[in-house]
Amino acid sequence: DTGVSQDPRHKITKRGQNVTFRCDPISEHNRLYWYRQTLGQGPEFLTYFQNEAQLEKSRLLSDRFSAERPKGSFSTLEIQRTEQGDSAMYLCASSLRDRGPRYGYTFGSGTRLTVV
Amino acid sequence: TQLLEQSPQFLSIQEGENLTVYCNSSSVFSSLQWYRQEPGEGPVLLVTVVTGGEVKKLKRLTFQFGDARKDSSLHITAAQPGDTGLYLCAGDWQGGSQGNLIFGKGTKLSVKP
Repeated sequence: DTGVSQDPRHKITKRGQNVTFRCDPISEHNRLYWYRQTLGQGPEFLTYFQNEAQLEKSRLLSDRFSAERPKGSFSTLEIQRTEQGDSAMYLCASSLRDRGPRYGYTFGSGTRLTVV
Repeated sequence: TQLLEQSPQFLSIQEGENLTVYCNSSSVFSSLQWYRQEPGEGPVLLVTVVTGGEVKKLKRLTFQFGDARKDSSLHITAAQPGDTGLYLCAGDWQGGSQGNLIFGKGTKLSVKP
């Protein structure tokens, strides 16, 4: 068990460019979550998957954001036409469905996005 | 409006001191969790409290869940520099979906040697 892996760790992009982040959850975890964290704030929920199905999306997730988990394993989060306000740490977490959120999530180290 | 309010926002103390940080809400939670986050890293789960009035201990850390399941506290005894970090509480909100946790803004703790 190597934990939750996120790639890249850091990304600097110019405003207007598209970026894609990858998350590899713990292999036996069927739930995968994306959160965004800005400076001085706690993580804010973006979306989550159970296996390959995207079950919920936050209203924070504008049309420029899309997430996939095609085979129920790794997930990608794409941001199109990035804006400076998208600069944040993007965190991925995973858990076992049967254990529910009350048993906690395992987070990755995050991808730090800077839009210049 | 922040569903979970954490206080204080910042805390700077000397090694060996005791401290308590708080996580409060007007809403009821099925469970509350505490995480610690270091700069540039993801949060790491410390504990989950589920039952109203529950107290859990993890070495020098004591966690308590309020009787009404609306608030929680974290007490650290004889703080050490290694306790430095951002302490986040997160709730499994009964009024929300079953798929996500709601986080507070955190308490940034600095323990000086």
